[in-house]
Amino acid sequence: DTEVTQTPKHLVMGMTNKKSLKCEQHMGHRAMYWYKQKAKKPPELMFVYSYEKLSINESVPSRFSPECPNSSLLNLHLHALQPEDSALYLCASSQETTSGIYEQFFGPGTRLTVL
Amino acid sequence: DAKTTQPNSMESNEEEPVHLPCNHSTISGTDYIHWYRQLPSQGPEYVIHGLTSNVNNRMASLAIAEDRKSSTLILHRATLRDAAVYYCILSQAGTALIFGKGTTLSVSS
Repeated sequence: DTEVTQTPKHLVMGMTNKKSLKCEQHMGHRAMYWYKQKAKKPPELMFVYSYEKLSINESVPSRFSPECPNSSLLNLHLHALQPEDSALYLCASSQETTSGIYEQFFGPGTRLTVL
Repeated sequence: DAKTTQPNSMESNEEEPVHLPCNHSTISGTDYIHWYRQLPSQGPEYVIHGLTSNVNNRMASLAIAEDRKSSTLILHRATLRDAAVYYCILSQAGTALIFGKGTTLSVSS
């Protein structure tokens, strides 16, 4: 199984809502990532988890809160988002991040619209 | 992070070879060259990576210049399914991928 799954596929939320994005992999990978992608732009790195610990936060606003409950799951909790946060949110995983070069496997993304 | 420069777009005909260039004049000795592609409505997918020597896999070939300041991704026979955005990325071992603008490849039948 070389798949990264993301739920939901689409999400529409108001600026006062709280919602969560979920990402799951069963490849035994110990590194997981969140990227944000606006239309016609490249993916932008948001967070990196290595061995379930947050290792990189690319100065992301606190209205985005990542969580890695175990080595297979990665969540992104959303609260008080702005319309400009509307984007495709991509999750990825790789074997690890501490050394070596490992292929990153990406999920299909969650298309988020903030009204 | 070391930067890459790619053409915004390229066009190809089906079943012809495609050479996608990437310039990375500030590459360091420990930077690996990665290529990922993103098909429409999908997440990016790995294509190939290399350090100094040319590399081949089932999807493509990677030709790296001797001075490593540029590289070329070669698709040997383009198909309609190869229409995608192709990203050339430099990264060191153990670091996350930082995407640049990429090249949008169009393939015509």
